[in-house]
Amino acid sequence: GESVGLHLPTLSVQEGDNSIINCAYSNSASDYFIWYKQESGKGPQFIIDIRSNMDKRQGQRVTVLLNKTVKHLSLQIAATQPGDSAVYFCAGIRGGYNKLIFGAGTRLAVHP
Amino acid sequence: EPEVTQTPSHQVTQMGQEVILRCVPISNHLYFYWYRQILGQKVEFLVSFYNNEISEKSEIFDDQFSVERPDGSNFTLKIRSTKLEDSAMYFCASFYRPNTGELFFGEGSRLTVL
Repeated sequence: GESVGLHLPTLSVQEGDNSIINCAYSNSASDYFIWYKQESGKGPQFIIDIRSNMDKRQGQRVTVLLNKTVKHLSLQIAATQPGDSAVYFCAGIRGGYNKLIFGAGTRLAVHP
Repeated sequence: EPEVTQTPSHQVTQMGQEVILRCVPISNHLYFYWYRQILGQKVEFLVSFYNNEISEKSEIFDDQFSVERPDGSNFTLKIRSTKLEDSAMYFCASFYRPNTGELFFGEGSRLTVL
């Protein structure tokens, strides 16, 4: 079956450092992989996605890397800010009706 | 910026009671979803809805659950007879077209079953 899972439940970083959040997946049939950010008491918010035929995609301060060989996905946040503190979920998606399968989430704590 | 809105933000109910959670998706979106998140856990897919019918549902979405789009703007989730384990945050999401990753989520409705 499908599963998307996270390596670590909590990541603590200093403000200004770069953060790397990792994710493993088991289903190679996903067409897209996505990172969502969830702040306390709010719904998930889209950060960035990557098609399964790409290795890297950059956004504003964020980069997603996809390694299909080892079924690994990572989110890199440059110059982490206090506002980046949240739980980050990776998700896999297969075409059709866009059912997202979420991982367990990693809590990012940014310290001044 | 358009957004998905959900009501109520918090509902407390007795076990066995019926609950309806309401969502107004973004107006030009065509695909609608309900997800739930038990406190401290991951977000779980419940159901997807397209063209006025369920397109996919999870094992969680049993006969006690139903969805409806009664008037072209609202999208509702009904739980017929709530159980303690239905206590969770329920998120509505909508989407314009598939094959990108960007679903738009509402702020959620917290359901507490006593």
